[in-house]
Amino acid sequence: DGGITQSPKYLFRKEGQNVTLSCEQNLNHDAMYWYRQDPGQGLRLIYYSQIVNDFQKGDIAEGYSVSREKKESFPLTVTSAQKNPTAFYLCASSIPQDNYGYTFGSGTRLTVV
Amino acid sequence: RKEVEQDPGPFNVPEGATVAFNCTYSNSASQSFFWYRQDCRKEPKLLMSVYSSGNEDGRFTAQLNRASQYISLLIRDSKLSDSATYLCVVNIKGSYKLIFGSGTRLLVRP
Repeated sequence: DGGITQSPKYLFRKEGQNVTLSCEQNLNHDAMYWYRQDPGQGLRLIYYSQIVNDFQKGDIAEGYSVSREKKESFPLTVTSAQKNPTAFYLCASSIPQDNYGYTFGSGTRLTVV
Repeated sequence: RKEVEQDPGPFNVPEGATVAFNCTYSNSASQSFFWYRQDCRKEPKLLMSVYSSGNEDGRFTAQLNRASQYISLLIRDSKLSDSATYLCVVNIKGSYKLIFGSGTRLLVRP
């Protein structure tokens, strides 16, 4: 079955560490996105990519980095520069032309310890 | 001002009730509209797209008023399983990005 896989489901980070969240899709979607959700809040866009080897900053890109070396993969690195990284991270993909919305992965819950 | 605004709720209704959620958006260039459902600690899932003429999917009816920049979702005959947060989502013309409201929480009680 086609879908988006995020791993790990739960991640604990120590202060000053960089961590990488994985996102893989087999839907053959061109566009991929990373969102952050804080308790009781809406989703905020971190980065997005419309094609391989290209990506753009979203609304809250500071302290994060991404790469898009393959169509299927869009990993997100949370760097030590991100001062408040504890949140629920969601990866999504879409076919931009068909406007049928996004397909989301099941998310990664990151906690700073 | 937020680009997409929703009443956070919670709406607490008995089973079988009819409940309506409203959403307003600020960008007149918004071209596509959706309602997503998000269960606690889970990812959002597409509930339905919203079309200009309004559309229905079983117990769910979505309406769009472009002049007032307003979207609504009506749920008839509420079920316990409808308890969730409902996210209003818009897409701006020329952009691939979706903009999410903060969501309206629904609690359906027995």
